[in-house]
Amino acid sequence: AQSVTQLGSHVSVSEGALVLLRCNYSSSVPPYLFWYVQYPNQGLQLLLKYTTGATLVKGINGFEAEFKKSETSFHLTKPSAHMSDAAEYFCAVSLMFSGGYNKLIFGAGTRLAVHP
Amino acid sequence: EAQVTQNPRYLITVTGKKLTVTCSQNMNHEYMSWYRQDPGLGLRQIYYSMNVEVTDKGDVPERYKVSRKEKRNFPLILESPSPNQTSLYFCASSPYGGASEQYFGPGTRLTVT
Repeated sequence: AQSVTQLGSHVSVSEGALVLLRCNYSSSVPPYLFWYVQYPNQGLQLLLKYTTGATLVKGINGFEAEFKKSETSFHLTKPSAHMSDAAEYFCAVSLMFSGGYNKLIFGAGTRLAVHP
Repeated sequence: EAQVTQNPRYLITVTGKKLTVTCSQNMNHEYMSWYRQDPGLGLRQIYYSMNVEVTDKGDVPERYKVSRKEKRNFPLILESPSPNQTSLYFCASSPYGGASEQYFGPGTRLTVT
């Protein structure tokens, strides 16, 4: 079965440090890949997505992610963390199922804490 | 403003008392979905709809119902809520499947006692 694994349910970094949130997926075909962010008491919003083409994808707020097919990974990075980056981050894959619909499968989420 | 709205945002109810959580989008999207979010489990799809009058089960459809009579609305119905349906619920819409972004509502926190 297709799945999404996010390594580390909690990640803590200092302000200005590198942010690295890990995501691995299992899929027999190349999926569409997404990172969403959820700020406290809010819904999810899209950070970035990979569909086809360039494997390094840039998103909002200085985040980027690289699709590595050989490693089935889509890790999210940001060179320098800001206090406002504290949130929960979800990796997701979109897979085509019979009947013509695409289903979004989410990882369990990683809560990022940023310390002064 | 393009958005997905949900009501109510917070609801405390008792076991067995029917409730409906409304969801509405103003972006003319074809696809709509309901998810529940539980700690350590991420978001799991309850039901989805590809168009008016077309709905189908997601991963955790048990004890939920939906309807899609109008393109903009996709209510979630719990006819006899139970405590294990206590969760945070999100409605989402997208213009199509596949690579399109899903737009999420603000969430409804439901507690069933």
